[in-house]
Amino acid sequence: GENVEQHPSTLSVQEGDSAVIKCTYSDSASNYFPWYKQELGKRPQLIIDIRSNVGEKKDQRIAVTLNKTAKHFSLHITETQPEDSAVYFCAASTISNFGNEKLTFGTGTRLTIIP
Amino acid sequence: KAGVTQTPRYLIKTRGQQVTLSCSPISGHRSVSWYQQTPGQGLQFLFEYFSETQRNKGNFPGRFSGRQFSNSRSEMNVSTLELGDSALYLCASSLWPLTTRGYTFGSGTRLTVV
Repeated sequence: GENVEQHPSTLSVQEGDSAVIKCTYSDSASNYFPWYKQELGKRPQLIIDIRSNVGEKKDQRIAVTLNKTAKHFSLHITETQPEDSAVYFCAASTISNFGNEKLTFGTGTRLTIIP
Repeated sequence: KAGVTQTPRYLIKTRGQQVTLSCSPISGHRSVSWYQQTPGQGLQFLFEYFSETQRNKGNFPGRFSGRQFSNSRSEMNVSTLELGDSALYLCASSLWPLTTRGYTFGSGTRLTVV
């Protein structure tokens, strides 16, 4: 089955610096890679996603890159702010011709922004 | 537009009891997935329902079961509760295909087994 590894498990960066979180996946058929942010006591929320036919996607201060050959994808947050402090989860999905959809999540990265 | 609604928000049960959790998806979303979230194991997939049919199942024992109704609302049942079942149970609904807009999660039901 699909396996998603996420690193690092914890990350502390100074406010204003950049943060990078990396994930690798095992199933070469995976074609959809979302990232979720979960603030303390709240639900995970989709912040950005990328499909396998795209190598990079940006949305203001966040960006995601995908390397299909190496089977890894990364989340980049620039100009970090205190409100970026949260747990971030990467995920990978395989979608079959029968519409069999499942997201397999990484174990999460606790990002702390130091003022 | 209402979000994904999970009830109850909190539950305390004793070992051996059973519990039923409920999830109402966003209107128009026919796919409902359930995840167990624990500090050490992250988000573990339980099962996914689409149009009242279970399409996918994770590696959980048969004590964990679910169903989906014709209005897409879903329930999850855990029988013979164990201490290790204490966790946050998250429900997520989505359009099909998943790549349309990903999952929308509910706020979860926090289950404590004592």
